Amino acid sequence: NAGVTQTPKFQVLKTGQSMTLQCAQDMNHEYMSWYRQDPGMGLRLIHYSVGAGITDQGEVPNGYNVSRSTTEDFPLRLLSAAPSQTSVYFCASSPGGQGFTDTQYFGPGTRLTVL
Amino acid sequence: SQQGEEDPQALSIQEGENATMNCSYKTSINNLQWYRQNSGRGLVHLILIRSNEREKHSGRLRVTLDTSKKSSSLLITASRAADTASYFCATDANSGYALNFGKGTSLLVTP
Repeated sequence: NAGVTQTPKFQVLKTGQSMTLQCAQDMNHEYMSWYRQDPGMGLRLIHYSVGAGITDQGEVPNGYNVSRSTTEDFPLRLLSAAPSQTSVYFCASSPGGQGFTDTQYFGPGTRLTVL
Repeated sequence: SQQGEEDPQALSIQEGENATMNCSYKTSINNLQWYRQNSGRGLVHLILIRSNEREKHSGRLRVTLDTSKKSSSLLITASRAADTASYFCATDANSGYALNFGKGTSLLVTP
């Protein structure tokens, strides 16, 4: 199994541009999440999904959209990039369905710079 | 909001020594997890301890949980240079969907 994969690994955008960060998992996990990691801030939850067709907002959702059309894929869209969105983005998945958050499996991350 | 807070923020020890990191959290939890992050890499799950457990071991790792004090500790025994990484505690805070992470402890193990 490849686990959780993310593309691209690095990206530079100009302010106002849009782009999609891709995330895929091959473990048939129900739950998927997007986090951003900023220096000294730990990881903060952006959006999450508990299954295909179901998404919800996390702690810092503004400026981001998500959709979950399949179990495997959970793309994160930046609508109009801003310098404040410069960060490292991590996608994670977990089996789900237990009523509590189980072990999360993380992708390698996408390092995004917005100029 | 971030639920867990690790202490210390940074820790430097020599190979062979033990490393202890602490985590405090604010609200009731179902479980608490510890993750490791090597520089420039994703997070890797180390250990999960449920709210009804007090201590758990995995290899050189020992985790304790005190729900009355809302705190946990991670002990790494006989540290190695390869243990150099950032360590994060994470709680589910009853959400059931995703984790709340602390800011992490940066561990440096020197030969």
